[in-house]
Amino acid sequence: GESVGLHLPTLSVQEGDNSIINCAYSNSASDYFIWYKQESGKGPQFIIDIRSNMDKRQGQRVTVLLNKTVKHLSLQIAATQPGDSAVYFCAERHNQGGKLIFGQGTELSVKP
Amino acid sequence: EPEVTQTPSHQVTQMGQEVILHCVPISNHLYFYWYRQILGQKVEFLVSFYNNEISEKSEIFDDQFSVERPDGSNFTLKIRSTKLEDSAMYFCASSWDTEAFFGQGTRLTVV
Repeated sequence: GESVGLHLPTLSVQEGDNSIINCAYSNSASDYFIWYKQESGKGPQFIIDIRSNMDKRQGQRVTVLLNKTVKHLSLQIAATQPGDSAVYFCAERHNQGGKLIFGQGTELSVKP
Repeated sequence: EPEVTQTPSHQVTQMGQEVILHCVPISNHLYFYWYRQILGQKVEFLVSFYNNEISEKSEIFDDQFSVERPDGSNFTLKIRSTKLEDSAMYFCASSWDTEAFFGQGTRLTVV
């Protein structure tokens, strides 16, 4: 069935270290993937996206990697900061304007 | 920076009552969505709206729910005969093509 799931529910890192958050998806027809950050009591905030015809995309301190062979998505955060502490969700989409299917979320805690 | 605006931020209602959640999507966007998030769980899709009609809805979005875009700017979610299990954060989102922008949500508490 359709599902997007995360390997780990929590991740704790030291400030300044790099973080890697992983996501597995099951629908090979998905054409677009997004990572969202959600702070407590707030809505999901866009971090970075990637289309299925790419395998890597970089933003400011963040990189998304897509491995379609094993249906795996990851978010790398460089030099993690306390302000990065939040729950991170991956989401997939099957068609333009279509619904997003969210994963369970990984809670990232950054220790000072 | 344009943003999706939702009101109210918190709504408390008695079981069996009707509630209307309000959203103002980003003005030039074409696709509109409602999602919900039960406390501690993932974000779940409810309904998408495009070209003045529902384009897709989930199993959750049954006859108890309805959406409207009454005036070209507002996008509302109506929940009739609310139940305790409808308590959740409800998020409105909009997109032009790919990236979906989310509002800050309405926390609905059914008592």
